[in-house]
Amino acid sequence: GAVVSQHPSWVICKSGTSVKIECRSLDFQATTMFWYRQFPKQSLMLMATSNEGSKATYEQGVEKDKFLINHASLTLSTLTVTSAHPEDSSFYICSARVRNEKLFFGSGTQLSVL
Amino acid sequence: KNQVEQSPQSLIILEGKNCTLQCNYTVSPFSNLRWYKQDTGRGPVSLTIMTFSENTKSNGRYTATLDADTKQSSLHITASQLSDSASYICVVHGGTASKLTFGTGTRLQVTL
Repeated sequence: GAVVSQHPSWVICKSGTSVKIECRSLDFQATTMFWYRQFPKQSLMLMATSNEGSKATYEQGVEKDKFLINHASLTLSTLTVTSAHPEDSSFYICSARVRNEKLFFGSGTQLSVL
Repeated sequence: KNQVEQSPQSLIILEGKNCTLQCNYTVSPFSNLRWYKQDTGRGPVSLTIMTFSENTKSNGRYTATLDADTKQSSLHITASQLSDSASYICVVHGGTASKLTFGTGTRLQVTL
């Protein structure tokens, strides 16, 4: 099956710094990628939909200036958490959709902001 | 409002036993229903995808059922193994915006 690689797996940063998370589709081209966050014992919450070559579509309540998404190529989307604060600590997951509607998820990034 | 509700919230079973997880949804219009397995600290992995016309779909020891009339689905795990310990998430694709609606998951723990 298709592979989605997400890096880093975990990151610890100081409050006020920015963190970039990468999501790559390794063996297919993903015109659409999705970014989610997941708090402990809760389900995934869609943050934004990332389309190659165009601006991302953010879900209601998600600050686009805080969570910068770039989908510059058909195999790479990045999420940058700008000026991270402790409340941004969460598990961030990306996914990529292939033509037959199958969705493949990255392995997730655990962000801890001190 | 599109919703996906899963039960039970958590479940503990002995290795080798079978179990059934439930998923009820209100998403309309309906496109497909998916079951994912998510290990702790990992991304979800697809188990099954079912469309409106499919009642049952199996993937190894996992068997999913779908009743589109009652808007219910179940995931049956046969002869559970320790490695089945994970969260199982029901996701429904549909709605007027054609989005995915995630259930909150069932946390399964298989013990000796």
